[in-house]
Amino acid sequence: DARVTQTPRHKVTEMGQEVTMRCQPILGHNTVFWYRQTMMQGLELLAYFRNRAPLDDSGMPKDRFSAEMPDATLATLKIQPSEPRDSAVYFCASGLDSPYEQYFGPGTRLTVT
Amino acid sequence: GQQLNQSPQSMFIQEGEDVSMNCTSSSIFNTWLWYKQDPGEGPVLLIALYKAGELTSNGRLTAQFGITRKDSFLNISASIPSDVGIYFCAGIKTGANNLFFGTGTRLTVIP
Repeated sequence: DARVTQTPRHKVTEMGQEVTMRCQPILGHNTVFWYRQTMMQGLELLAYFRNRAPLDDSGMPKDRFSAEMPDATLATLKIQPSEPRDSAVYFCASGLDSPYEQYFGPGTRLTVT
Repeated sequence: GQQLNQSPQSMFIQEGEDVSMNCTSSSIFNTWLWYKQDPGEGPVLLIALYKAGELTSNGRLTAQFGITRKDSFLNISASIPSDVGIYFCAGIKTGANNLFFGTGTRLTVIP
């Protein structure tokens, strides 16, 4: 049963600290998406990769957020420095060849105090 | 960002009843997806629709791509307790790379 995996599942950190979230897309998928979910804003797209190249990161605050794909099996989302307003659930999703059918991971619940 | 409007926002139904929910937008979409999210988990893809007028089923779930391409509908027949969760629609516009997500419909099934 192929699934997207995310680590850690939960992260509590203090304001100003660096946070790194990791995602392993489904083997063979070549598109990866990072989303943030909050009660107020719902699901928001942060970044989108195809074949490891960033295609769209317009939804991501550039001054503190960065997303990379060091290889085809790993995507990372970093926040430095973290702020309380970054508290949310961050989801990674992967797909094959298109943005159409996306399969989500279980999410990383981030709390910044 | 832009969101799709889902209605109703929440539903409380008796086990065994049928459920209908919809998703509307002022924009035209060329793909509609329906997801279900359980507490503490990521959204799970239920049904994908690619053509206006298309009607697709997945077990007790049936979804339709609206003729105007500005809406989509999801029906659940004979609801059961495990249908509880939040149902999201998502759409993709022509030439776009990303999904626009609906505001969600929270379903509660009373045994």
